Parts: sequence; C-alpha cells; structure tokens
Amino acid sequence: DTEVTQTPKHLVMGMTNKKSLKCEQHMGHRAMYWYKQKAKKPPELMFVYSYEKLSINESVPSRFSPECPNSSLLNLHLHALQPEDSALYLCASSPGGSTSGRVNQETQYFGPGTRLLVL
Amino acid sequence: DQQVKQNSPSLSVQEGRISILNCDYTNSMFDYFLWYKKYPAEGPTFLISISSIKDKNEDGRFTVFLNKSAKHLSLHIVPSQPGDSAVYFCAASEVNDMRFGAGTRLTVKP
Repeated sequence: DTEVTQTPKHLVMGMTNKKSLKCEQHMGHRAMYWYKQKAKKPPELMFVYSYEKLSINESVPSRFSPECPNSSLLNLHLHALQPEDSALYLCASSPGGSTSGRVNQETQYFGPGTRLLVL
Repeated sequence: DQQVKQNSPSLSVQEGRISILNCDYTNSMFDYFLWYKKYPAEGPTFLISISSIKDKNEDGRFTVFLNKSAKHLSLHIVPSQPGDSAVYFCAASEVNDMRFGAGTRLTVKP
C-alpha cells in the first residue's frame, strides 16, 4: 500500500463551524506533513510531525490545530476559519528514517488533497 | 517572499523532443532539491531529486541539473511523451524548511 488517503475530498464550511481534515497512510512512515496550496501558488508547509511529535510549526494561525493520534493518522482541526483560508490542503508522509535526521530530505508521498471552501 | 521560483507557468513541446523545465532559488542554505509531478485531482508525486554535492542526477528519461553558483536547477525530459503532460513543481529544502515553486504546466503534443 503506497497510498496516502485524505478525507473528505471537498469541504464547505462556515466561519463559525468546527471541522476536521483526516489523512492516513499505511506505509510505516514516521513523518507526516500538512501543506496549504492556494490556486496558482506553491504548496506551503504548515506542520511536520516526526515520530508523532510536532517538529516544525511554520507560524500557522491557531485556528488550525494539528493532531497526530498515531503514526498512521494525521488530523487537521479547523475552527473559526476565514474565507482566505479557502485552499487545497495536502497531506504527505515520508519514511522518517533519514540518516541525516532531516525529514525534509526524504521523498514525500502526497495525498490527493482536500479542497476547502470557507464561506 | 518566494524563495523558489518557476518563472514559466506553462511549456508546450512536441512528442519526442526535449522538455526543459527551469527553477531558480534565492536561499543559499538550500541543499537538497526535488522535482514533483502533479496530475489533476491527484497529489504531487516524486520524480527525481539531487543533493547539493552533485550537479547532475539521471533517472531514465529524466535528468536534473544543479548550478549552485547560479542558484538554478533544471529538469530535462527526453524524449517527451504525451503522458508527461502535467504540472511540475520544484522544491528546495534546508534543515528546517522546504519550499515549493508555483509549478510549470507541461503539455506534450502528439
């Protein structure tokens, strides 16, 4: 199984809603990532989990809250989002066993993304 | 600030010819570079990578060239095939950061 799955594929939410994005992989990877991608812009790294610990937080607003319940699952909890948060949210995973210790030197396997619209 | 730039949003080539996709970066701390390919409705998939200690890496029809002094990398696809039509992202990483370019849409015409 070399897939990273993300649910839901599409999500429409209001600014007062609370929702969660889910990501799952069964490749035994120990590093997982959340990216945000706006139209015609590059993916921007939001969070990195390495061995279920948050290792990089790219100064993302607190209305985005990541959670890594186990090594196969990664959630992104959303609360009080703004319309400008509408984007494609991509999850990725990588082995996490890089001899350099740098997970961002590893090949990342991406999910198809969740397209989020905030009204 | 965009530390990784792909200045050509699109590129069209004839089947069988060479496709050259370019990427420039500004952060001299980047020391590992990757190319990803993305089809519609799918996540990016890894294509090829190169460490800063090398200036060339080849994998089948795909070759990545790195010019550290110019802070420039390129991806060569030869011969190009219609199935190569996709959006190509370059990415650059250092210890605590990974940045992507905005992508180049490659169209290979039969």
